Amino acid sequence: DQQVKQNSPSLSVQEGRISILNCDYTNSMFDYFLWYKKYPAEGPTFLISISSIKDKNEDGRFTVFLNKSAKHLSLHIVPSQPGDSAVYFCAASDERAQKLVFGQGTRLTINP
Amino acid sequence: ETGVTQSPTHLIKTRGQQVTLRCSSQSGHNTVSWYQQALGQGPQFIFQYYREEENGRGNFPPRFSGLQFPNYSSELNVNALELDDSALYLCASSLGGFTTGELFFGEGSRLTVL
Repeated sequence: DQQVKQNSPSLSVQEGRISILNCDYTNSMFDYFLWYKKYPAEGPTFLISISSIKDKNEDGRFTVFLNKSAKHLSLHIVPSQPGDSAVYFCAASDERAQKLVFGQGTRLTINP
Repeated sequence: ETGVTQSPTHLIKTRGQQVTLRCSSQSGHNTVSWYQQALGQGPQFIFQYYREEENGRGNFPPRFSGLQFPNYSSELNVNALELDDSALYLCASSLGGFTTGELFFGEGSRLTVL
């Protein structure tokens, strides 16, 4: 039972353009959502988060949008830079179970 | 500030053996979580330790066990290894139990079971 899904295994974007990564979830009890970024041979690092009481959170080039009615969130990166090439994981916080539930990840490649 | 460190980084075991993975949490953090990341998948929650007690567990069999020590470092033990246990094992630390879920991850221990 995959409660958090990232349906695009990979995404290729030209440098300077916008990257949009998508994530869907099924459990309406999730109340906090996070994006992590992972480079090869490194652990995931926290990127940005959003509470379910908000619909948008912005941090520099990164913006996360949450659509609760559709159970969908997205991460926008603009402008995209070569250093953004990494695997991005969407995660939902299940506070009752004391855990994060991760999606499968999307590999983002930024082309010069 | 010292980050999360894990050892060993790579290891190979055979089916039926036992393995112990180690994690030192980030300085000042008293909560450690363990996740398993199979190839092509996202990390899956194994369990969490807070102040030396397990306070959350995912859908993993009892042969996956853990410990947290007074200095908040932690061990993950897996008995009777199976081929499907081959994965990257990630340790993450945080402060004050499970809060908003902003975890600090180590680089992982890659386990191969033959």
